[in-house]
Amino acid sequence: QTVVTQEPSFSVSPGGTVTLTCGLSSGSVSTSYYPSWYQQTPGQAPRTLIYSTNTRSSGVPDRFSGSILGNKAALTITGAQADDESDYYCVLYMGSGMVFGGGTKLTVL
Amino acid sequence: QVQLQESGPGLVKPSQTLSLTCTVSGGSISSGGYYWSWIRQHPGKGLEWIGYIYYSGSTYYNPSLKSRVTISVDTSKNQFSLKLSSVTAADTAVYYCARVKVHSGWYDYWGQGTLVTVSS
Repeated sequence: QTVVTQEPSFSVSPGGTVTLTCGLSSGSVSTSYYPSWYQQTPGQAPRTLIYSTNTRSSGVPDRFSGSILGNKAALTITGAQADDESDYYCVLYMGSGMVFGGGTKLTVL
Repeated sequence: QVQLQESGPGLVKPSQTLSLTCTVSGGSISSGGYYWSWIRQHPGKGLEWIGYIYYSGSTYYNPSLKSRVTISVDTSKNQFSLKLSSVTAADTAVYYCARVKVHSGWYDYWGQGTLVTVSS
């Protein structure tokens, strides 16, 4: 079964830059998987940030960006703010289904 | 603006069938171009894809749940539904419905989620 890997946790200073990654337990992530990224705060539904690797969803600030770095998808937050402290999930589209990564808990301090 | 709303019992007994419905407003399920999906989140854990359905009735399920899951669509009511059979406490979770863009596989609209507890 396909396993999508993410860092369990990450920390960034206010104003800093952080890159979260999304990999495959076996193989490389490419644009063919249309990686997307979601932000979730406690008690809320996820919010779509990035889709198709690097397209920002409507209303998402441009300090959020997506890319492929090496063999992984990546979400970069530039100029982190306190309210960026959330859980972040990547999703890979397999055509016949979707697979969520385990999520990264981002702390801003 | 598309809106999705989950509804169904918040408490289900072990071994019974969990049934949820997602009502879509602001857009038609029959218009095509989207899958209609169920996702769940165990307490304090990550998100898990359950499956999705196209308006035509084509379904795709998470292999780990496939034997117990049925997703159906009622285009006349603009609703789609989830049935999960033989539930146990491990199926206690917040269940979300959401819309997925076909061909690029991303969620553009989500329901608010509903907590389903499996307990006797």
